[in-house]
Amino acid sequence: AQSVTQLDSQVPVFEEAPVELRCNYSSSVSVYLFWYVQYPNQGLQLLLKYLSGSTLVKGINGFEAEFNKSQTSFHLRKPSVHISDTAEYFCAVGRPAGTALIFGKGTTLSVSS
Amino acid sequence: DTGVSQDPRHKITKRGQNVTFRCDPISEHNRLYWYRQTLGQGPEFLTYFQNEAQLEKSRLLSDRFSAERPKGSFSTLEIQRTEQGDSAMYLCASSDPGREGYGYTFGSGTRLTVV
Repeated sequence: AQSVTQLDSQVPVFEEAPVELRCNYSSSVSVYLFWYVQYPNQGLQLLLKYLSGSTLVKGINGFEAEFNKSQTSFHLRKPSVHISDTAEYFCAVGRPAGTALIFGKGTTLSVSS
Repeated sequence: DTGVSQDPRHKITKRGQNVTFRCDPISEHNRLYWYRQTLGQGPEFLTYFQNEAQLEKSRLLSDRFSAERPKGSFSTLEIQRTEQGDSAMYLCASSDPGREGYGYTFGSGTRLTVV
């Protein structure tokens, strides 16, 4: 079985500061990894994904994530955040031959000026 | 491509009533998924279809829940005899199996409030 743990439920940061949102996963097989963002009262939008290949993945809005197989982690980073990045962020894991994605409980990123 | 559409956006119902939600996936996507999201939690998988076949159901999907995708296009999720614990955001997503692992495209969700 797979599982996802998002290590921080809330991350407050100031505008233009760097941020890291942490995600660990558990799986006995190869996995695909995803980060989604959710703005209030909206669905989830895909930020980036890791399928295979380069462990550093770049996504939309200046976000990137690094897949670390030995640490079973997939942390999301942004070097300089904006107020508009304030949202809920979800890490998810899926199997290459599987179907349903398993989501973490989410991390609330709050960016203030 | 207009994305994944869900209707209605909001639904308030009295406990014990039946409700039905609709999802229209991206037209070329033959996989369709239903998730439930409660406050402060991540989306929880309910069920998924490949074309019209319902291939997997979560244990969260009690007997009061039923989902259909009659012609492999739109899908409906019905909840019978609603309970206050059913209050949640119900999310629909679709994917393209030809690009396995691409990830889902989500709709904006239907927020259900049971009073």
